[in-house]
Amino acid sequence: DAGVTQSPTHLIKTRGQQVTLRCSPKSGHDTVSWYQQALGQGPQFIFQYYEEEERQRGNFPDRFSGHQFPNYSSELNVNALLLGDSALYLCASRTGGSGYTFGSGTRLTVV
Amino acid sequence: AQRVTQPEKLLSVFKGAPVELKCNYSYSGSPELFWYVQYSRQRLQLLLRHISRESIKGFTADLNKGETSFHLKKPFAQEEDSAMYYCALRNTGGFKTIFGAGTRLFVKA
Repeated sequence: DAGVTQSPTHLIKTRGQQVTLRCSPKSGHDTVSWYQQALGQGPQFIFQYYEEEERQRGNFPDRFSGHQFPNYSSELNVNALLLGDSALYLCASRTGGSGYTFGSGTRLTVV
Repeated sequence: AQRVTQPEKLLSVFKGAPVELKCNYSYSGSPELFWYVQYSRQRLQLLLRHISRESIKGFTADLNKGETSFHLKKPFAQEEDSAMYYCALRNTGGFKTIFGAGTRLFVKA
């Protein structure tokens, strides 16, 4: 089992562009959450998906959107990129009341 | 509002010494508390959760609702315990999990 896989591992974008990050959850997991982690900070909750619907959202603007597919994989989309969006984006999956299994993240740099 | 506070950014102890990583939380309901660990060049992983009441790699954590704390303890630190530790809280209903800013533990030989 590869656990949670994220792609790409690194990405450089220009301000104003749009980006899509991808996540495949661990086998057997049906819930996917996305986190943003800035340098020296803990992960900040963006949103969670379950049964293809956004179940809860953190304090992030509407520029951040997502999707979950029938196979439980998920995408995070960020529009109109700002320099401040530069961070490590983590995907985490779980099932039921279990703890999270994390991916290794996508490092997004906005220039 | 839900909040997780880890007051120490860095904790440095000698090998064999006891270690306690502090975590305080604010939450009006009954939270689920977790400790996650990130070793160098590895991904974030679950260390333990309060409802399991288990010891993992010699670490234990007790939920103290009166003091709203969930401190992580180990009686004898090992060099391989050096890592970044995050305390996390999940709200009732189990949707959103929020993380503290983390404490870097450095165990000196």
